[in-house]
Amino acid sequence: TQLLEQSPQFLSIQEGENLTVYCNSSSVFSSLQWYRQEPGEGPVLLVTVVTGGEVKKLKRLTFQFGDARKDSSLHITAAQPGDTGLYLCAGALTGRGSTLGRLYFGRGTQLTVWP
Amino acid sequence: DTGVSQNPRHKITKRGQNVTFRCDPISEHNRLYWYRQTLGQGPEFLTYFQNEAQLEKSRLLSDRFSAERPKGSFSTLEIQRTEQGDSAMYLCASRSGQNYGYTFGSGTRLTVV
Repeated sequence: TQLLEQSPQFLSIQEGENLTVYCNSSSVFSSLQWYRQEPGEGPVLLVTVVTGGEVKKLKRLTFQFGDARKDSSLHITAAQPGDTGLYLCAGALTGRGSTLGRLYFGRGTQLTVWP
Repeated sequence: DTGVSQNPRHKITKRGQNVTFRCDPISEHNRLYWYRQTLGQGPEFLTYFQNEAQLEKSRLLSDRFSAERPKGSFSTLEIQRTEQGDSAMYLCASRSGQNYGYTFGSGTRLTVV
């Protein structure tokens, strides 16, 4: 079983549409990160959220960390073909040394944006 | 800063052979991580180094897998007696103590035939 559940697994939309990707868990995280990965490459960090209720914006991308620090969402406004990729959420569990150790990744959401 | 470098990018090997991968992290990052990713899955944690000390190992890391980070610089991941189930993308990442974010390399794609 995955510690972080992402939904949807696949998303295929037209250019200009909005979308939201969800990342949920029953565990509490000290921080949560979102990455974007392209085929044959490693994931690239988009954002880190650390405070419950935190909202961060990166151009057309809006990231939110749940109040209880168990979930997060990524919202993309007016999607473009360049947004196509695998979006991964990853969290560090609370506890001693947790922020310096492993990250737990979700399975990812494969986004395809058609022109 | 040239990023995290992984070599080779691709490796095809016959079942039963040994393979070794190398990762060169960002020079000022003292923390180094190895992950494995298969198709349709997110990266799975394998092991973690702080400087030269291996501080955590996943149960996924069987006795056929060994990782080293001599002198706290580059790291190697060796797989002995490879099996078809070892076919995956092996990702290396590094980060500094003050930064939550990982910087990943481009990965080594292993295919065991």
